[in-house]
Amino acid sequence: DARVTQTPRDKVTEMGQEVTMRCQPILGHNTVFWYRQTMMQGLELLAYFRNRAPLDDSGMPKDRFSAEMPDATLATLKIQPSEPRDSAVYFCASGGEGRTGELFFGEGSRLTVL
Amino acid sequence: AQSVAQPEDQVNVAEGNPLTVKCTYSVSGNPYLFWYVQYPNRGLQFLLKYITGDNLVKGSYGFEAEFNKSQTSFHLKKPSALVSDSALYFCAVRDGSSNTGKLIFGQGTTLQVKP
Repeated sequence: DARVTQTPRDKVTEMGQEVTMRCQPILGHNTVFWYRQTMMQGLELLAYFRNRAPLDDSGMPKDRFSAEMPDATLATLKIQPSEPRDSAVYFCASGGEGRTGELFFGEGSRLTVL
Repeated sequence: AQSVAQPEDQVNVAEGNPLTVKCTYSVSGNPYLFWYVQYPNRGLQFLLKYITGDNLVKGSYGFEAEFNKSQTSFHLKKPSALVSDSALYFCAVRDGSSNTGKLIFGQGTTLQVKP
């Protein structure tokens, strides 16, 4: 059963620490999206990739966030240094049918920054 | 720029009654529209989509949605609600004329179905 896998599921860290979230997209999918979900802001698009190339990361705070796809099976979202306002659930989603296809979401990484 | 509005934070219906969750969108090109559902502590699950063709699209779990171009709406409907339909529902839009494929979500609507 193909699915998007995200790690860690839960992360509690201290302010100022580096946080790395990982995502394994569904095999064969060529687009990967990172979203952040909070009660106040809802679902915000942070960054997305097509064929491992970043297409848009305008939703991401550039000074502390970075997103990469080192290979087709791994996408990473890094926060350095982390701040309490980064506390949220971070979702990775992948898609494989171009612009008409739906996205498949992972279960999310819940980040708490103290 | 594309955007989605879900005007209701919460919709309450009695089990067995029809339900509607509203969505309006704004996009400069052709709209590709999607509905997703999220259960507590889970990721989003795809319900249905409109790309082209028949304005009424049918999806998973008995849900359907009607695309209305003149009103720029894509409301989610179900003829008879179940308690198990209680969840958070998201409408999303993609600009079909854009090469980027960016998918933007609304704020979400919580559906509460009471027995």
